[in-house]
Amino acid sequence: QVHLQESGPGLVKPSETLSLSCNVSGGSVRSGSHYWSWIRQPPGKGLEWIGYVFHSGSTLYNPSLKSRVTIAVDTANNRFSLRLNSVTAADTAVYYCARTCYQPCGFDIWGQGTMVTMSS
Amino acid sequence: EIVLTQSPATLSVSPGDSVTLSCRASQRVSNYLAWYQQKPGQAPRLLIHAASARATGIPARFSGSGSGTEFTLTISSLQSEDFAVYYCQQYYNWPPFTFGQGTKLE
Repeated sequence: QVHLQESGPGLVKPSETLSLSCNVSGGSVRSGSHYWSWIRQPPGKGLEWIGYVFHSGSTLYNPSLKSRVTIAVDTANNRFSLRLNSVTAADTAVYYCARTCYQPCGFDIWGQGTMVTMSS
Repeated sequence: EIVLTQSPATLSVSPGDSVTLSCRASQRVSNYLAWYQQKPGQAPRLLIHAASARATGIPARFSGSGSGTEFTLTISSLQSEDFAVYYCQQYYNWPPFTFGQGTKLE
């Protein structure tokens, strides 16, 4: 079955850039049937969708984060990535990668999540 | 942006109970609504999509209903492993996909 695994630093300094990667196994990011998303959850709070990428490289972002976010797909290595610029303490959260259908059907596969703290 | 409001925020229940959770959308979302279960330290798990379709492997005690702006998730005969936080999410109008604030079963 499809498995997603996030990786990246657990600590980022304020004003710097957060970079995370999501490795896809048991399936392919080349799938024309799925979007590949990033979702975050601040400690003790709810879920916020950050954006998604399609296998073609086309993206769509949450308007609230659009100016700071870049999501990209790496088909050669079957993974996709997240970059979030100019981070602040408010960006501290568990970051999840997740899959949804091209004709959206909910997020059916999730990574385990990675906690990222923005602190000097 | 479509806002989803879940009620109640917390529900005190006992094993064996039948419980109903509510999700209200600020605009009509047809049946483009999903429900998730999240346990402490874990990622959310998709329970229901298209308002009433159970995801793969989800027990029949979980059922969803509703359309438009009013939705419910019902858990019949609550099991100990069902104590968790439940979120609804709309995928009718995006960006952004939006989630409710969650209902905690305790």
